[in-house]
Amino acid sequence: GENVEQHPSTLSVQEGDSAVIKCTYSDSASNYFPWYKQELGKRPQLIIDIRSNVGEKKDQRIAVTLNKTAKHFSLHITETQPEDSAVYFCAASTTRVIQGAQKLVFGQGTRLTINP
Amino acid sequence: GAVVSQHPSWVICKSGTSVKIECRSLDFQATTMFWYRQFPKQSLMLMATSNEGSKATYEQGVEKDKFLINHASLTLSTLTVTSAHPEDSSFYICSARTSGSMPFFGPGTRLTVL
Repeated sequence: GENVEQHPSTLSVQEGDSAVIKCTYSDSASNYFPWYKQELGKRPQLIIDIRSNVGEKKDQRIAVTLNKTAKHFSLHITETQPEDSAVYFCAASTTRVIQGAQKLVFGQGTRLTINP
Repeated sequence: GAVVSQHPSWVICKSGTSVKIECRSLDFQATTMFWYRQFPKQSLMLMATSNEGSKATYEQGVEKDKFLINHASLTLSTLTVTSAHPEDSSFYICSARTSGSMPFFGPGTRLTVL
């Protein structure tokens, strides 16, 4: 089955600097890669996602890159703000209709702290 | 976006009792629902996948007789933790999706077993 590795586990950056979180996946059949932001005690919130037919996607200060060959994808947050502080999770899934598929497998999470 | 609710939002129970958690898709029909468990400072671990009208598919290491899942309709799935013990204390989160869509997460249920 799919295995997703996420690094680093903690990340501290100064306000205004950029933050990068990296993930690798194992299943070449995975073709959907979302990123979630989770605040304490809350549900994961989708912040950006990318499908395998695209190498990069950007939404304001957030961007995601995907390297299918190397099986890794990264989250980039620019001009970080204190409200970006949270735990971020990457995940991988296949959208193929196969029994047991279409489930999200999550990385271990990165606790991001933005220092004012 | 689509709305998924969970009930209750938190529950405290005594060891040995059973607890039922509901997951509802409020404005769409969910062909598939997923149940996750999240321990403090850890990631979301998939427990099982349920499709309406069929038996749930459990992940390796998850006891199907302890975590009973019923997906009786396209808008409701329930997770029953039977004979709960303190080690079952966790944050339980469901997600729901239609075929081809991304999943939508519920707000989670905090279970504390005394």
